[in-house]
This record gives sequence, C-alpha cells and structure tokens, in this order.
Amino acid sequence: QEKVQQSPESLIVPEGAMSSLNCTFSNSASQSIWWYQQHPGKGPEALISIFSNGNKKEGRLTVYLNRASLHVSLHIRDSQPSDSAVYLCAVTAGGNYKPTFGKGTSLVVHP
Amino acid sequence: ETAVFQTPNYHVTQVGNEVSFNCKQTLGHDTMYWYKQDSKKLLKIMFSYNNKQLIVNETVPRRFSPQSSDKAHLNLRIKSVEPEDSAVYLCASSYTDSSGNTLYFGEGSRLIVV
Repeated sequence: QEKVQQSPESLIVPEGAMSSLNCTFSNSASQSIWWYQQHPGKGPEALISIFSNGNKKEGRLTVYLNRASLHVSLHIRDSQPSDSAVYLCAVTAGGNYKPTFGKGTSLVVHP
Repeated sequence: ETAVFQTPNYHVTQVGNEVSFNCKQTLGHDTMYWYKQDSKKLLKIMFSYNNKQLIVNETVPRRFSPQSSDKAHLNLRIKSVEPEDSAVYLCASSYTDSSGNTLYFGEGSRLIVV
C-alpha cells in the first residue's frame, strides 16, 4: 500500500517569504502527484500536479519531482496571509482509484 | 464554485444511532469517493465508485455502507455509530484517465458521536 509522508508538520513564514513543503512516497510506479490546499471548514482544493521528473511552475507555485528519491516538493513564492492553510500531498498509482494522501503541512503566513 | 454537494454539513448523534450522508456532483465525472478525515487532518479513503460500480472498498467496519443510484450520486450510511466514527466525511469526484485524476471535494459532513 502506498505510503505518503509530509514534512514539516507545520511551517510559519513571514509575508513575502518562500514557503517550501516536502512529500515522500513509497511506490516508484506512482503515476501522478497532486498538491491540495485546505482551508478550515472547507474541502481540499487541487492546486498543482506533476507526472514527470523535473519541475513545473504555475504562477507563484513551483513543484519539483524526483522519482529516483521518491520525493516531491512544493514551493510558494512571495507567500501571502491568504496562503495560510493545510497543504496535502496526494499520490496515485496508474489505473488506481484510490489516491493516497499525506497528513499535511499546516502553513501560517503572518503579515 | 462548489460542484460537489454534501448534506448534512454537521450532525450530532448518540452512540448506536444510524446516520446517512448524501453527496451529489454536477461535474459529469465518472468516479466518486468517500474519505474520512480525522482530527489530525489525515484523509483515509473508504470507498470509490466508477460508473456506479464499487471498485475500492477499504478495510472499514461493516457498519459503513455506500450506496450509488447513478454516477452523480454517492451516499454513505453508518449503522449503529461508535464514538470513533466522529470525523469529517469528505465526498469527492473525478474523471479517471491515463494522466491521473484530479479530485473535486465537497465541503464535508462533520459527524459528532456523543
């Protein structure tokens, strides 16, 4: 069964700083990795995904995937107080109908 | 804009009672899921359906039973709730294709068992 671990458990950064979140997974055959953002009292919302080794950039978000080390990271440039939320990493193996989530990183961006 | 609708949002009940949660998606997706989210925010998949067919049935107590009338609806019934069932139950939907599957979640149904 896929195992997904996230670090750090919580992160506090000042407004304007770079926020860096990490995720490791156990199955090298995992096909896709997603990052979700969850605000209190809301359901998770998909932010960005990556399927191939390397990096992908969308706006202030950059995600890096290294399949050899089973590691993916999410970087949020110019962090804003509105970015304060729990960030969840989710991994899906090919043809698998059960995306597996990590425990999340709680990000707080203070003004 | 919400496209996965869950009811009720919040429910308090006593041990031993029966509870049902309803979920509807208006995205035209072919797969729906139920996840349980505990107090530490960990999401654990319980069930997933593809075109009304049960395809993932994780190890959950038998008092939990999913029901799907069509691919846009997936309900969850809990017979005789226990205190450890207190959690947020999240419904999600997705397309399923070779590039992976983005999940679209509802806002959750919080269950408190007293």
